Amino acid sequence: QQPVQSPQAVILREGEDAVINCSSSKALYSVHWYRQKHGEAPVFLMILLKGGEQKGHDKISASFNEKKQQSSLYLTASQLSYSGTYFCGTEDESNTGKLIFGQGTTLQVKP
Amino acid sequence: DTGVSQNPRHKITKRGQNVTFRCDPISEHNRLYWYRQTLGQGPEFLTYFQNEAQLEKSRLLSDRFSAERPKGSFSTLEIQRTEQGDSAMYLCASSGADYGYTFGSGTRLTVV
Repeated sequence: QQPVQSPQAVILREGEDAVINCSSSKALYSVHWYRQKHGEAPVFLMILLKGGEQKGHDKISASFNEKKQQSSLYLTASQLSYSGTYFCGTEDESNTGKLIFGQGTTLQVKP
Repeated sequence: DTGVSQNPRHKITKRGQNVTFRCDPISEHNRLYWYRQTLGQGPEFLTYFQNEAQLEKSRLLSDRFSAERPKGSFSTLEIQRTEQGDSAMYLCASSGADYGYTFGSGTRLTVV
């Protein structure tokens, strides 16, 4: 039931774009995205709710296809500070807030 | 508001000993979650509370693990008779409904 993220790792130059995908086999109420830097706790980026509502950082964009139980995170004009591991967390339709996290996508942005 | 606070930051214990971790969530958040994370993996769900009620506990969690949230405020996670496989980062998070988690800095447990 763990969501599957792809790719596992990405290396970019500053200014380049990246897309990280998250796919679940279960019907979802929401998808969350978090970024974790080495040795730190995950930091909330965005939540996408069933029905189309989104909340989160203005500079981050993402999509949620409810029918396919898939979400994508779009990182545009990447900066060095975007480096880290990105996790999606999926919440099923029980709407308890409990998240199941994917295995993570490691992003490295080089100068 | 100072965010989610976890104590201690690090804990080294001998196999077989009991350990207890504390989490102080954001005061307005009624939901509190415990996760465990090992190197290279995403956080793994352990248990969660809505106010003082523990509503779900992972089936992967043995009876050696117990959590409480008295009066819906801070929470404690206790591991009894620790094993080397319990070594991990233990993360606490809190949230309101339909919003993201705020994670604490975690407690890193090393069982020797």
